[in-house]
Amino acid sequence: DVKVTQSSRYLVKRTGEKVFLECVQDMDHENMFWYRQDPGLGLRLIYFSYDVKMKEKGDIPEGYSVSREKKERFSLILESASTNQTSMYLCASSLSYAGGGYTFGSGTRLTVV
Amino acid sequence: KQEVTQIPAALSVPEGENLVLNCSFTDSAIYNLQWFRQDPGKGLTSLLLIQSSQREQTSGRLNASLDKSSGRSTLYIAASQPGDSATYLCAEETSGSRLTFGEGTQLTVNP
Repeated sequence: DVKVTQSSRYLVKRTGEKVFLECVQDMDHENMFWYRQDPGLGLRLIYFSYDVKMKEKGDIPEGYSVSREKKERFSLILESASTNQTSMYLCASSLSYAGGGYTFGSGTRLTVV
Repeated sequence: KQEVTQIPAALSVPEGENLVLNCSFTDSAIYNLQWFRQDPGKGLTSLLLIQSSQREQTSGRLNASLDKSSGRSTLYIAASQPGDSATYLCAEETSGSRLTFGEGTQLTVNP
């Protein structure tokens, strides 16, 4: 069964910490995405990547960075965590630039205290 | 700007009913229309993917249709069960594999 795996289900971090959220897909998909989901705001795109070492800003990139050193792995980095980054983070992948449907991971619930 | 709208925002039905969830989108250059299910505190599970060249897809008790000309998709759930209770999201995939999500329909199926 094809999968998108997020390394942590729940995380609690302190304000100012550097936080790494890891995502791995086993479908040989070209595209990978990071979203955050908040009540009343829906899903918002943070960053995405069409290929290894490529990255594109989404709608809300401020306070975040990403790394894609290998095709199957896409990391979201919170350089200095803040309480307003408490959220559900969802990783996804899709086959190619021309579309093909998305597969999502199970999500990481991050709490910054 | 692309917009996706889902109606109703919430729906409560007795077990066994057939029901329809609605989704409308504004971008006619659609590649795919995808329906997802989300349980509280969990990630998104893909239910059905309709490519722009298709008119409908079926999986078990679920049937999704796509009408590009009117910018609408519907998700039909037959013989609803309490286990169907969840939030249902539709999303339009356009050029560059970008997804635009609706706000979701929160479904409750009562035993």
